Amino acid sequence: ETGVTQTPRHLVMGMTNKKSLKCEQHLGHNAMYWYKQSAKKPLELMFVYNFKEQTENNSVPSRFSPECPNSSHLFLHLHTLQPEDSALYLCASSLRTSGGGSSYEQYFGPGTRLTVT
Amino acid sequence: GIQVEQSPPDLILQEGANSTLRCNFSDSVNNLQWFHQNPWGQLINLFYIPSGTKQNGRLSATTVATERYSLLYISSSQTTDSGVYFCAVEQGGWGRGSNYKLTFGKGTLLTVNP
Repeated sequence: ETGVTQTPRHLVMGMTNKKSLKCEQHLGHNAMYWYKQSAKKPLELMFVYNFKEQTENNSVPSRFSPECPNSSHLFLHLHTLQPEDSALYLCASSLRTSGGGSSYEQYFGPGTRLTVT
Repeated sequence: GIQVEQSPPDLILQEGANSTLRCNFSDSVNNLQWFHQNPWGQLINLFYIPSGTKQNGRLSATTVATERYSLLYISSSQTTDSGVYFCAVEQGGWGRGSNYKLTFGKGTLLTVNP
């Protein structure tokens, strides 16, 4: 596979469930990102990992828990979500200069459309 | 934080028409990208253009960094060009790692009718 892949593409979960979203990039990048896109809102950055270390947590509730075991894989663990968490969750990756400096083009996966019932 | 404004918010064209989308930003940036989001939600890179002009087929983009705006030109539009076009910028200087994130505008919804 090439580019950025995400699984699953669609997910329906109850408020008491625990599930995980998976992202994998095949581009040799060293930074990965989670975004949330809700209806009629701009894309919101949730988490940034540079060189496998989390460098950004954009005031995201603790019911969202990211994990980055290596520079190619990124997970978003979900538990006790609320209906307002229903959205499109997008993963992206990019190359960053050493030290977490300037980044280049971000490439996005196809997203996971999450519905919380 | 940096503000990103896109105009127009909505645009309806007949196939074959040309259009210009605009992105204004409130501070200096070191990264500017244009994306197209298709009806299935996939964000597709169009241009990485922190400054200057680039062309790719019927699309071209110009960023005037000193005046803090970027333009996306679509010529001879096709129905497959329909979707939302986003401008996203990243600001920051060396050593301010926490600022290195893309901020997106609200997008321009383009509809191209046959």
